[in-house]
Amino acid sequence: GQQVMQIPQYQHVQEGEDFTTYCNSSTTLSNIQWYKQRPGGHPVFLIQLVKSGEVKKQKRLTFQFGEAKKNSSLHITATQTTDVGTYFCAGPGQAGTALIFGKGTTLSVSS
Amino acid sequence: SAVISQKPSRDICQRGTSLTIQCQVDSQVTMMFWYRQQPGQSLTLIATANQGSEATYESGFVIDKFPISRPNLTFSTLTVSNMSPEDSSIYLCSVNHGTVEAFFGQGTRLTVV
Repeated sequence: GQQVMQIPQYQHVQEGEDFTTYCNSSTTLSNIQWYKQRPGGHPVFLIQLVKSGEVKKQKRLTFQFGEAKKNSSLHITATQTTDVGTYFCAGPGQAGTALIFGKGTTLSVSS
Repeated sequence: SAVISQKPSRDICQRGTSLTIQCQVDSQVTMMFWYRQQPGQSLTLIATANQGSEATYESGFVIDKFPISRPNLTFSTLTVSNMSPEDSSIYLCSVNHGTVEAFFGQGTRLTVV
């Protein structure tokens, strides 16, 4: 079945360092979404990418969608303690409705 | 956007009992989704709840264990039946409100002892 893989599983950085998480799908995706889940919280939508090769920025966050629409990345520049949490990528399931989530990358930041 | 009220927020239950989780959405939505998130893990889709028809379950999840109701377009329940410690998890309901963005309830943190 469809799989969405994400690496690394954990990442610890010093405040101010950069951080990147990578997402790969076993199938071509019509779109990919990114979510952030703070400790003890629920996933919150960050962004959706639709076009091949698309790059979007949100302040210190840069999201990329691969040319083949099977991979994506999230890069955070100069991390802050507020960036702590688990970042999930997600793609539409085979039925095109529910989302299939990657395993997530848990980011910890020390000041 | 959609606001989802999910309850209970947490519960500790005895094995062999059942717990019903409720989700109320502030607007009408066609589909509601139920996910399970085991400690430190990703979200796994349990089923899709459609109003007026039976829920569609994912592989590994069955109606007898996770019966779902969807009486109208703003409400759904998920029951975790005959619980065992392996059912200890976070259960989340979710909707896509006319957009592709998914909105989640606050989650139900279930501990089975």
